Amino acid sequence: DTGVSQNPRHKITKRGQNVTFRCDPISEHNRLYWYRQTLGQGPEFLTYFQNEAQLEKSRLLSDRFSAERPKGSFSTLEIQRTEQGDSAMYLCASQNTEAFFGQGTRLTVV
Amino acid sequence: KQEVTQIPAALSVPEGENLVLNCSFTDSAIYNLQWFRQDPGKGLTSLLLIQSSQREQTSGRLNASLDKSSGRSTLYIAASQPGDSATYLCAAIDNYGQNFVFGPGTRLSVLP
Repeated sequence: DTGVSQNPRHKITKRGQNVTFRCDPISEHNRLYWYRQTLGQGPEFLTYFQNEAQLEKSRLLSDRFSAERPKGSFSTLEIQRTEQGDSAMYLCASQNTEAFFGQGTRLTVV
Repeated sequence: KQEVTQIPAALSVPEGENLVLNCSFTDSAIYNLQWFRQDPGKGLTSLLLIQSSQREQTSGRLNASLDKSSGRSTLYIAASQPGDSATYLCAAIDNYGQNFVFGPGTRLSVLP
């Protein structure tokens, strides 16, 4: 499978715990994006990497959120001290011209 | 700030009908516009990408048009099938190709 891969697909965590998600983009794509999607809404931009450089961060990305893309390959998104409001689908996309999305990680904070 | 809206929010049609989904954006200085499909609980599947220099793109039964001056894009689906049932999202991509702004989507149901 040469598409965008995200792991895990589902994560249930208790409030206050830390979680980390992984995204493996299409190998030749330099750009990588993270989005968050809540029920009935379109995805909202979180952050964007060009190779290993994080070039833009949304105001939605509070200081509890951090993203990395070491060596410009896979990326991780970590949420510290999770809150119930963090429950959402977290989507990763990679792009040359056309953007391709992964299947997402659904986070439930209980 | 770019804002994207989609009309209608939901649409239910009998199988075989042709239909049009609408997408409007406020800032005409877009780089590209892309249409996606999303099945419940799944990620987004790219359908069509229209670059700013293009007016339309076609793939099978799908045709998407772009009118930057009026801030509109339409997705035309011919001869709809039950398997087309999904949420359809459009995204306006900013002038540097870096940021996608999504609409809320149109939820389509095609009844057999």
